[in-house]
Amino acid sequence: GAVVSQHPSWVICKSGTSVKIECRSLDFQATTMFWYRQFPKQSLMLMATSNEGSKATYEQGVEKDKFLINHASLTLSTLTVTSAHPEDSSFYICSAREGAGNTIYFGEGSWLTVV
Amino acid sequence: DAKTTQPPSMDCAEGRAANLPCNHSTISGNEYVYWYRQIHSQGPQYIIHGLKNNETNEMASLIITEDRKSSTLILPHATLRDTAVYYCIVRDSGTYKYIFGTGTRLKVLA
Repeated sequence: GAVVSQHPSWVICKSGTSVKIECRSLDFQATTMFWYRQFPKQSLMLMATSNEGSKATYEQGVEKDKFLINHASLTLSTLTVTSAHPEDSSFYICSAREGAGNTIYFGEGSWLTVV
Repeated sequence: DAKTTQPPSMDCAEGRAANLPCNHSTISGNEYVYWYRQIHSQGPQYIIHGLKNNETNEMASLIITEDRKSSTLILPHATLRDTAVYYCIVRDSGTYKYIFGTGTRLKVLA
């Protein structure tokens, strides 16, 4: 299947700083990418949908100014957590839709710990 | 909200078939059913998907009822490495969004 890669796999940052997580589709062009957050022992929660070249669409309750999403190319989307707080500590996962295909593939996830 | 409901947990003996049920009674005619699994601390792994017909691949089989209101994922010979949380998802036909439910935590026992 298609490969989606996230970087970094884990990151620790200080409260008040910003951290960027990258999501890349390695062997296909992703017209649409999705960002999820997952807290321990819970299911994945969709945060936003990003389409290449346009603004992301955020789910209800997700602060767009705090979670900045950029999808500047067909193989890269980034999530920036701004002014991070300890409650932002979570597992962040991206997924990508291959062109007009039906299936969506997920990255390995990125662990964020804010201290 | 998720359009699917699944039992929270199941056990299966190693080497036996694991049958994981999923209810999706509000599914629309053009919405696909997808199955993914998530092993601890990893991203979800695609397993199989279907629309109306039963499907089979190297990992699993998917049985969809005729009225499409429920489906069953079958792992024909479960191994210890199949221990994971299995998610059944009805994909939104317009936005391609996946809304995850709580999934089924499958434990394969030696």
